[in-house]
This record gives sequence, structure tokens and C-alpha cells, in this order.
Amino acid sequence: GAGVSQTPSNKVTEKGKYVELRCDPISGHTALYWYRQSLGQGPEFLIYFQGTGAADDSGLPNDRFFAVRPEGSVSTLKIQRTERGDSAVYLCASSLAGRWDIQYFGAGTRLSVL
Amino acid sequence: DQQVKQNSPSLSVQEGRISILNCDYTNSMFDYFLWYKKYPAEGPTFLISISSIKDKNEDGRFTVFLNKSAKHLSLHIVPSQPGDSAVYFCAAAYSGAGSYQLTFGKGTKLSVIP
Repeated sequence: GAGVSQTPSNKVTEKGKYVELRCDPISGHTALYWYRQSLGQGPEFLIYFQGTGAADDSGLPNDRFFAVRPEGSVSTLKIQRTERGDSAVYLCASSLAGRWDIQYFGAGTRLSVL
Repeated sequence: DQQVKQNSPSLSVQEGRISILNCDYTNSMFDYFLWYKKYPAEGPTFLISISSIKDKNEDGRFTVFLNKSAKHLSLHIVPSQPGDSAVYFCAAAYSGAGSYQLTFGKGTKLSVIP
């Protein structure tokens, strides 16, 4: 597809479980971003990749959160020992190198931790 | 503490009239400002942006005004159309940080009444 694809669109899990959220960016976009949007809030930055490396992970809330982008394309956000407070919509965005201002967002993965 | 504030959670405007959405920021390091638009069940989409070296940027029906001394920006939509009904997020960035993370406000839900 032409846009940013995120799977699954919805994920329900139990407290303490491990989850993986996948992001497929627009082809040719070297920059990739993860944001988290809680109810009633705007998107909150988590991590930014330039190519395969995490250029800025200052938004990750704690060490239960980890993200990878091994081949510089698809990225996976991993959350260990999920907590109810992790429930949110997780948004992925991508952009062309040098055009960080125009980030293209996916529809997000809605994570519900019971 | 919210670095980007959108104090109006919602706004209703008659079709054909002007919509004015406001945004305030507190971080003096921000030098780039953006507006994103979000429809339900979709990711945010880029609308318009402005650099801190300008005080106005116009794109069709959309104009963004920046008042640096007041740390305030606004988005004007003229004329408003029913298809403009969406949540509008104000976002800011510090381009010199090398991170390109966007800091979002909580959003304003615009309803354009036919």
C-alpha cells in the first residue's frame, strides 16, 4: 500500500504479558517515529529511527519498552510486562530524509491491557 | 507540564464562516510549528507549517499565524467546509536538536455545521 501500515489494528492483552506492534513505513522513507496517544491527549513522542539506528529514544517511558528496525524498513515496538497504564493508541510515522516536518502517520494500534 | 497547549477542546462554526484554532507554547527553543488534522480511526495528516523566522504562512483556505513574542499561533480556515470537521493538533519542534520529535497539544475538535 501507499501509506504507513500498522498491525494489528487492535490488540487486547492481559496485564504482565508481552506484546509486539508492527509498523511498515512508506517505501523510501528512511526516518521512522513511534508516538503514543492516550485518551484525550495528543500524540506523545517515544522514539525516532534514522535508518536502522535509534537516533533518539528519549521518549520511551521505561525499560519495558523497546523498539527495533533491523533492516531500516519495518519497525517493531516491543512492550514487556504490560501494565494497564500502557493502554493507548500507538502511532507510527515515517518521513523522507531531510523532511522530518512532514511525518506520515499510520492509523495506529489500539492496545488494551486488561 | 504541557509545552504545547490547545485550551479549546472543541469549536463549532457555521459552514462558510471562518474557523480560528489557537495554540500556545512555553518552550522558547521551539522554532518550527505544524498543524495536523485527524479524522476518526485514521492517523493525523500534515496540514500546514511555519518556521519561526516567519509570522504567516498561507496554503489555500488555510493560514497559520505565529506571534513569537506571545508564544502563540493560530490556524485560520476560510471558508470553513463540512469536510473540515476533524480534530486539529498543534505541534512544535526544535529543529536544532537533531531528533525531529514533534510535541503535540491535546487537540481541538472542529465541527463545521452545514
